Amino acid sequence: EPEVTQTPSHQVTQMGQEVILRCVPISNHLYFYWYRQILGQKVEFLVSFYNNEISEKSEIFDDQFSVERPDGSNFTLKIRSTKLEDSAMYFCASSSALYAQETQYFGPGTRLLVL
Amino acid sequence: AQTVTQSQPEMSVQEAETVTLSCTYDTSESDYYLFWYKQPPSRQMILVIRQEAYKQQNATENRFSVNFQKAAKSFSLKISDSQLGDAAMYFCAYRSALTGNTGKLIFGQGTTLQVKP
Repeated sequence: EPEVTQTPSHQVTQMGQEVILRCVPISNHLYFYWYRQILGQKVEFLVSFYNNEISEKSEIFDDQFSVERPDGSNFTLKIRSTKLEDSAMYFCASSSALYAQETQYFGPGTRLLVL
Repeated sequence: AQTVTQSQPEMSVQEAETVTLSCTYDTSESDYYLFWYKQPPSRQMILVIRQEAYKQQNATENRFSVNFQKAAKSFSLKISDSQLGDAAMYFCAYRSALTGNTGKLIFGQGTTLQVKP
């Protein structure tokens, strides 16, 4: 069964550094998402992406964040200058359509630790 | 804004028994979807069951069923004949059905389910 994959599984970085989290969505999917989960808290929506542009972003998704689909397979989340509070598990998800019947498939996550 | 609340951080159940996980939500929308996702340790979230708000009939998927109470804005998950493999974090999630929605999911805090042999 096709899966969403994410790399790396863990990343440790210094505050102020840039990080890029990578995701490979399921190949025929068109809608892409990033979510994050700070330890002990709920999963939060960050951004949705369709047709090579952001379709919705949350207030968390400020100018420090950006997303890109640089080629036909990868979907990346860049954090320009990491802060301590960016430490979280970041999940990528994709779906083939917006209908409720179309499941949003999640990757295993990247655990980011900012020191 | 919509919110989803799971008031049970942890639950436990004996193998083969039945357990119910609670979820409440708040919305002013009349049409939406509700989901339960399961996240086993160190693995990705997978969809367990979905419910369309316009459907009165409760969704069922094998041992998993929901009790959807639209007026009360309640969406509980019942797991029957619990198995060791059901041990996981369970997330309740909401999605708007309004035209123009982007498919974003709004999650609850999660409930960790322990299954005892």
